[in-house]
Amino acid sequence: DVKVTQSSRYLVKRTGEKVFLECVQDMDHENMFWYRQDPGLGLRLIYFSYDVKMKEKGDIPEGYSVSREKKERFSLILESASTNQTSMYLCASSSPLNRVNQPQHFGDGTRLSIL
Amino acid sequence: AQSVTQLGSHVSVSEGALVLLRCNYSSSVPPYLFWYVQYPNQGLQLLLKYTSAATLVKGINGFEAEFKKSETSFHLTKPSAHMSDAAEYFCAVEAGTASKLTFGTGTRLQVTL
Repeated sequence: DVKVTQSSRYLVKRTGEKVFLECVQDMDHENMFWYRQDPGLGLRLIYFSYDVKMKEKGDIPEGYSVSREKKERFSLILESASTNQTSMYLCASSSPLNRVNQPQHFGDGTRLSIL
Repeated sequence: AQSVTQLGSHVSVSEGALVLLRCNYSSSVPPYLFWYVQYPNQGLQLLLKYTSAATLVKGINGFEAEFKKSETSFHLTKPSAHMSDAAEYFCAVEAGTASKLTFGTGTRLQVTL
C-alpha cells in the first residue's frame, strides 16, 4: 500500500512565523501535491511537483512556497504565516506524468492554526 | 478547463436506504473521473475511478458510479446505506495536465437510524 506521511497532525503557530509542513511518500512517485481544505470550498491546489527540484503553481499559491530536494519528500512553506492560512493541509502523491488516470494517494492531513 | 459540481453539500439518509450523491463535470476532452471518501480526521481515500472501459464502475464498500456522457454526470450510488458510510465524499476530474485533479466542494453524508 502507498504510504503518504505528513509530519504533524496538528500544528499551532503565530502570525508572522515561517512554517514548514513536511510530506514523505514511500512509493517512488514522481508527482506530489499540496492542497488546502476549507469547509464549503473543497480541496484547492496550492503547488505541485512532477520531479525533484521541479515545482508548479496551483490555483492558490500566494503566500506559500515549496521545496522538493528529494523524490520522496515535498515541503510546503508558509513564508510569513497569517490567520487566513488557518486550514487543513493535505499532501498527495501519484504515478508518473505520462500515465493518465492514476489516482492520487493522500496523507492524513495537518490541521494548522495560526494565532 | 475542467470542473466538477457536486449538488448538495449535505445529504441525509436512513440506514438501509439508497445513497445517491450527485456529480456533474465539465470537460473539453474525454474526462478521467474519481470519487474519494474522507472519514473524520483522515485524508482522502479512493472509492473508484472511471477508466472508459465501462460506464458502470464498481468501487470499494459497495459503492458504484455510472458515467453518462449525454448528461455529463458521474453520480455515486450505494443500494443500502450503513452507519459506517457517514463521511464526506468528493468527486474529482483530471484537469488536462495528467495527474492534476480538480475537486468538487464535497458532499457530507449523514446516515441515521
